[in-house]
Amino acid sequence: ETGVTQSPTHLIKTRGQQVTLRCSSQSGHNTVSWYQQALGQGPQFIFQYYREEENGRGNFPPRFSGLQFPNYSSELNVNALELDDSALYLCASSMIVNLVAGELFFGEGSRLTVL
Amino acid sequence: SQQGEEDPQALSIQEGENATMNCSYKTSINNLQWYRQNSGRGLVHLILIRSNEREKHSGRLRVTLDTSKKSSSLLITASRAADTASYFCATVAAAGNKLTFGGGTRVLVKP
Repeated sequence: ETGVTQSPTHLIKTRGQQVTLRCSSQSGHNTVSWYQQALGQGPQFIFQYYREEENGRGNFPPRFSGLQFPNYSSELNVNALELDDSALYLCASSMIVNLVAGELFFGEGSRLTVL
Repeated sequence: SQQGEEDPQALSIQEGENATMNCSYKTSINNLQWYRQNSGRGLVHLILIRSNEREKHSGRLRVTLDTSKKSSSLLITASRAADTASYFCATVAAAGNKLTFGGGTRVLVKP
């Protein structure tokens, strides 16, 4: 149990639609990161939020966007879904100390299928 | 792009044997971490080793770090069927605030 919860656990969308994934961070953590994991591959960094501001972004297009709220919960939004967006989306919370990342606490993920 | 690359990609061993997997990376790091993932689930943190450390232990896990070779290894001793999972290394760059994961090693421990 990491204390990080994600919803929904599974969802199916069609190409062109929009999706919002939600994450509730572990209490006391100031940072939330989102990762995309395709089947059989390692997690790919999408972006990170630190105290409600985007604090780093991976190689993902602008149609991937996010928010972090004052209670440190977070959303990942993906517009204009493409078939390749089908993946497990992982949220992870952590404490950044002295600007350096430490251990990540992951949720169980949201599995998105785009048809 | 992936900073860490694990080797081998897959490993099959008998219960009781040791499992060793390696991770190589390209740029200077602040720390390197190992995670475990059961099929289709979230990742679980196993161990963190800082760039000024050479070896760490946690239960049946032993991690080494060689910054001159930009490599790390994870050893699981006396493996159990429950150790069957994918194992990932992740690096934090020297001035970095994010983790970059490798492609993982899939370990199968046969009873």
